[in-house]
Amino acid sequence: GNSVTQMEGPVTLSEEAFLTINCTYTATGYPSLFWYVQYPGEGLQLLLKATKADDKGSNKGFEATYRKETTSFHLEKGSVQVSDSAVYFCALRDTGRRALTFGSGTRLQVQP
Amino acid sequence: ETGVTQTPRHLVMGMTNKKSLKCEQHLGHNAMYWYKQSAKKPLELMFVYNFKEQTENNSVPSRFSPECPNSSHLFLHLHTLQPEDSALYLCASSQALTGGKMNTEAFFGQGTRLTVV
Repeated sequence: GNSVTQMEGPVTLSEEAFLTINCTYTATGYPSLFWYVQYPGEGLQLLLKATKADDKGSNKGFEATYRKETTSFHLEKGSVQVSDSAVYFCALRDTGRRALTFGSGTRLQVQP
Repeated sequence: ETGVTQTPRHLVMGMTNKKSLKCEQHLGHNAMYWYKQSAKKPLELMFVYNFKEQTENNSVPSRFSPECPNSSHLFLHLHTLQPEDSALYLCASSQALTGGKMNTEAFFGQGTRLTVV
């Protein structure tokens, strides 16, 4: 079956620090990969996505590259801000009539 | 209105009550989903509807009863809930699920925070 594994949080960083949140996946097909973000009290919002190997998704300074050889989709940002404090979810969608499969989420806390 | 709208945003109910959660999407999608998000647990997929037909039920207790009258609306009817059912219930929608590669994302509502007392 499909699964997504994320690094456990919380991740605590100072403002302007470099961020990496690891994500690896297992899929029976050739999935599309996504990062969602959830701010306090809100639902999930799509942050970025990649649909094939070596694609790089990017948005709001965040980036992630689809690495098929290592089955990974790590999220990175060069300089985090306090406003980036949220929970980040890695997800995949496989072929067929299936819903998204989510990782357990990683809480990011950015301190001023 | 645009996007996915869930009502109510907050709900407190007793274990003997009956209530319903409502979700509405204005994105022209044909697939809708209910997820449960509990503290310190992964996001749990509950139900999937594709063109108004239920295609997934992930072993959800019968005290949760979904209804999808059309592609724009999704309900979750609740009765005789337990305190452990307290959670954030998220609705989502996406383009229709087909047999091919799916590279489209799901769009989420803001959720209903449910507390069972």
